[in-house]
Amino acid sequence: EAGVAQSPRYKIIEKRQSVAFWCNPISGHATLYWYQQILGQGPKLLIQFQNNGVVDDSQLPKDRFSAERLKGVDSTLKIQPAKLEDSAVYLCASSSQGDLSYEQYFGPGTRLTVT
Amino acid sequence: AQKITQTQPGMFVQEKEAVTLDCTYDTSDPSYGLFWYKQPSSGEMIFLIYQGSYDQQNATEGRYSLNFQKARKSANLVISASQLGDSAMYFCAMRGITGGFKTIFGAGTRLFVKA
Repeated sequence: EAGVAQSPRYKIIEKRQSVAFWCNPISGHATLYWYQQILGQGPKLLIQFQNNGVVDDSQLPKDRFSAERLKGVDSTLKIQPAKLEDSAVYLCASSSQGDLSYEQYFGPGTRLTVT
Repeated sequence: AQKITQTQPGMFVQEKEAVTLDCTYDTSDPSYGLFWYKQPSSGEMIFLIYQGSYDQQNATEGRYSLNFQKARKSANLVISASQLGDSAMYFCAMRGITGGFKTIFGAGTRLFVKA
C-alpha cells in the first residue's frame, strides 16, 4: 500500500512570494489533513477535509493561506503572500473515517524556508 | 479547552535500557483518545500506540507501552530495551469528541539513545 505522497520536499522562497504544496493521500482515505509544524513545536492542524468538503479550518490564516481538495482525492495548500513566520514543515495526513482511535498516516512533509 | 503538556525537551537513555517519556493532558471531554507518535530526522510522523480513555488495560505494542493514569491525567510512554534507532522526537497527542475529533499535539520530547 502506497503511503501519503507530498511534493516538493523542500522549498525556499522570499517573503511576499507565493508557494504551493501538493498532497496525495492513501487510496480510499476520505479524510485529509494539513498540519503546520514550526521548529521545536508539535504539528498544528490547519485544515481538515472530509472527501472534498472542509470539516475544520479554524486555524487556517485565511488572509494568506488557501487549500482545496478537488474530486476528494489529492489536495493543494497555497500561501500567498508568504511571511517569515510561515517557515515550517507542512505535513499532510490522511485517514479512513472512524472513531476516536482512527490512525492518521502522515506524509514526509514539505520543509518551507521563507527568507 | 484541550491541552497536551510534555515537560521533557530532551532525554538520554543507554542502549538496551528502558525509558519513560512524560505526557500530561487536560480535557473536559467524557471520552477521548491518547496517541504517541515518533518523528525521526527524516520528518514523517509514525504512529506508535493508542489508548482510549475507557480502556481498562494499558496499551502495549511490542516494545512500547502506555502508562495511563486517568485520575492524574497522564499518559506516559515507556520504551523498553532502547535501540539506537529509537533516537527521534516523540509526540503525545489527544483527540476528543467535543473537539470534533481534532488531534492536538504536545511540543515533543527528543530522545537520544547512547551506544
